[in-house]
Parts: sequence; C-alpha cells; structure tokens
Amino acid sequence: QVQLVESGGGVVQPGRSLRLSCAASGFTFSSYGMHWVRQAPGEGLESVAVISHDGSNKYYADSVKGRFTISRDNSRNTLYVQMNSLRAEDTAMYFCARPYCSGGNCYWAFGYWGQGTLVTVSS
Amino acid sequence: QSALTQPASVSGSPGQSITISCTGTSSDVGSYNLVSWYQQHPGKAPKLMIYEVTKRPSGVSNRFSGSKSGNTASLTISGLQAEDEADYYCCSYAGTSTLVFGGGTKLTVL
Repeated sequence: QVQLVESGGGVVQPGRSLRLSCAASGFTFSSYGMHWVRQAPGEGLESVAVISHDGSNKYYADSVKGRFTISRDNSRNTLYVQMNSLRAEDTAMYFCARPYCSGGNCYWAFGYWGQGTLVTVSS
Repeated sequence: QSALTQPASVSGSPGQSITISCTGTSSDVGSYNLVSWYQQHPGKAPKLMIYEVTKRPSGVSNRFSGSKSGNTASLTISGLQAEDEADYYCCSYAGTSTLVFGGGTKLTVL
C-alpha cells in the first residue's frame, strides 16, 4: 500500500535552514509528481511546492518562492524540501502528498498523505 | 494565489443534509472542473472525499457529493453521521501547476 513518511522537522531559529524528507513506498515513485502541503497550527491547508515525476519542473507558492527548493531522488524513493531563510510564519505541519490516480489516470487532487512533520520557527 | 472562501462553520443533526460552499474566482474554480474536497479529523492527515468536482474515490461513502456553479463549488453530505464531524477543505487547480485551498469549514454534528 502507498506509504509516505516525512521526517526532518524540529525547532529552528528565524533565518536558519532546514531540510525535510519524505520516504515513499508501495508505488513506483518515479512515475508520480509529488507535493508539499503545510498547515499552520489551527489554520488551513496551503500548497507549498510541486515537482514533476522526473524533477524537471517545479512550482512554488508565492509565500515560499526564492526560499524553498523542492527536489527528489528517484533512486532513493525520497522527496525533499530545502527551506532557507525561515520565518515565524513558516511554522506548520508539513505534509508530503501524492496525486490520486485511478484507471490509469492521475488527477489534480491529493490522494495520499503522510502523517506530517512539524516545523517550528522560533528564537 | 488568494485562498478560496468557505464558511467557518456549519452544523446539522444526525440524518440531515448539509452543504458547504467554496467560492473562488474565474481564475480557479470558475475556469477548471478540478475542485477537490478533503475531510480532516483532529490530529490526522486530510482525506480525499471528492475530486474533479463530482467524483468520489473508491471507498468514500455515496453520502458525499459535489457540484459546481460558476465560481462556487459545493460539498453536500446527506444522512449526517457523528463520524462526519470534522474540518472540510476545498481545493482548486489555479493554473501553472498550482493549487489553492479554501480556509476550511468546521462541521459540527449536533
């Protein structure tokens, strides 16, 4: 079955960096685009970044553009996000997510989610 | 990339039906039939309930249905059950591989 396991969260000071990882299993990782979605405490969901199946295309929310970099290693079945110049407003649970696919088609909808990893930006 | 607009809360009694609205713009909800809905229980990851406005993933109850008119999408839950109490989020494709969420709606089953 599809499994996504995030790691790398923690407490970090403003202006510092952190790299999150998402280990994927149960599916052919290299065939799917992947997403990072975050949720600030008590707040709603925000799509942060997306990467194509082969890593050639990447897109970011305006709120993280120029500070976050999404990447993947298909040989290790792992998704990453490098977060630089962190701000207090980046404090959130970070989820990795895979599109929902059915009947050979994949859709613009998050069908599978990890359990999330918490990032707290505080001095 | 402004968030879609949802009511902060809705409520209903067991067995009743409720509808949650999700209002966007002509750049997102109005331009694409790519609206999805998610259910999130406290401390859990979101769960996909509806995709492409009206479609249900396998395993999701047919008590959940979706629709869209113009810039507004809606999620209807019929035959409300206690386990439906959760936060619900809409999400729409907004072009250039970007997705935008609504602010979320807290459903209370009375």
